[in-house]
Amino acid sequence: GAVVSQHPSRVICKSGTSVKIECRSLDFQATTMFWYRQFPKQSLMLMATSNEGSKATYEQGVEKDKFLINHASLTLSTLTVTSAHPEDSSFYICSAQGGTSSYNSPLHFGNGTRLTVT
Amino acid sequence: GIQVEQSPPDLILQEGANSTLRCNFSDSVNNLQWFHQNPWGQLINLFYIPSGTKQNGRLSATTVATERYSLLYISSSQTTDSGVYFCAVVGSSASKIIFGSGTRLSIRP
Repeated sequence: GAVVSQHPSRVICKSGTSVKIECRSLDFQATTMFWYRQFPKQSLMLMATSNEGSKATYEQGVEKDKFLINHASLTLSTLTVTSAHPEDSSFYICSAQGGTSSYNSPLHFGNGTRLTVT
Repeated sequence: GIQVEQSPPDLILQEGANSTLRCNFSDSVNNLQWFHQNPWGQLINLFYIPSGTKQNGRLSATTVATERYSLLYISSSQTTDSGVYFCAVVGSSASKIIFGSGTRLSIRP
């Protein structure tokens, strides 16, 4: 089956520093990757959609300069939380879709990254 | 955009019981998936089911696209079934997947 690898699984950083989270599709080419954020006891909220080789599309209310997304290849997307603050502490999850008809093919998720900003 | 509602929000059952979780959506969909999020946060893909019925062991799912709902059935519940179950859809006029608010299931031994 399709495997999505996300690293790191857990990170603790000081306020003001930047953190990079990687999302890789291991056995398929991901034409589209999605980044979600989940606060405790809440659902997953879509932050942005990234397509290989083009700029990410951010959801309303998500600061593109704070959450930098790069989708440089068909197997790798990265999310960088810049100048992190305690309110950025959350569970970040990536997902990937492959194929030419991405929006109606199954979505595969990474195991998530729990970010704690002190 | 499309709205996704799940019910019930919380469900507490004894081991061995059966349960039905519901997902209502406000528009036609191209994609519907059911996920189980375990206590460690991992999202497990249960079913990709934009229409029809599928079964996998003790779990089965049915989507009636024309009536805009999907049901997830869990039979003979086990404590390992505990967690949050999410329904996620892609509307026919959009290309991004939207999650429902989830059903938190707790199975007591």
